[in-house]
Amino acid sequence: KAGVTQTPRYLIKTRGQQVTLSCSPISGHRSVSWYQQTPGQGLQFLFEYFSETQRNKGNFPGRFSGRQFSNSRSEMNVSTLELGDSALYLCASSLTAKNEKLFFGSGTQLSVL
Amino acid sequence: SQQGEEDPQALSIQEGENATMNCSYKTSINNLQWYRQNSGRGLVHLILIRSNEREKHSGRLRVTLDTSKKSSSLLITASRAADTASYFCATGITGANSKLTFGKGITLSVRP
Repeated sequence: KAGVTQTPRYLIKTRGQQVTLSCSPISGHRSVSWYQQTPGQGLQFLFEYFSETQRNKGNFPGRFSGRQFSNSRSEMNVSTLELGDSALYLCASSLTAKNEKLFFGSGTQLSVL
Repeated sequence: SQQGEEDPQALSIQEGENATMNCSYKTSINNLQWYRQNSGRGLVHLILIRSNEREKHSGRLRVTLDTSKKSSSLLITASRAADTASYFCATGITGANSKLTFGKGITLSVRP
């Protein structure tokens, strides 16, 4: 079974631009979660989707948004990028909505200049 | 916050020694999970222990959970250089508002 696939692996953007990150979960997994990882803050929860519905949202500004498609693939979007948005963005999928065992992708490393 | 806090922040041991990592949290949980992350990569699930369990084993891993003290420990026995990584505890709430909250991690270095 293929693992969680995140694209692109690396991104360089400038302040004010927007970015879209993609995540393909493991086949059969209906839950997708997104996390932002920085050296100072660790892993911060962004949002979770299950069967195309956002179930939970972390404490991030409205510039951060996401969605999930009928095939469980998910995208997250960050608009009006700020320097502080530079981070490793991790996507994780799980079979159920219980968050009992997450399978992570390798992440997208976003650098905002 | 229910966020777990790991202790110590960094640990350096010799190959063959045991590594013990601790995690404390503040609010009631349904489960506690441990994950490993190799540099710049995604996290890998290691083990899950439920709130009604006290101890669990998986290969060289042993995890304990003390809900009265709101703490957990992860023991890696007979460590190997390949165990060098960051280790995270994550506290889980199930149900309608299910959520998994990660600590900031422990950096483990195993010297050959």
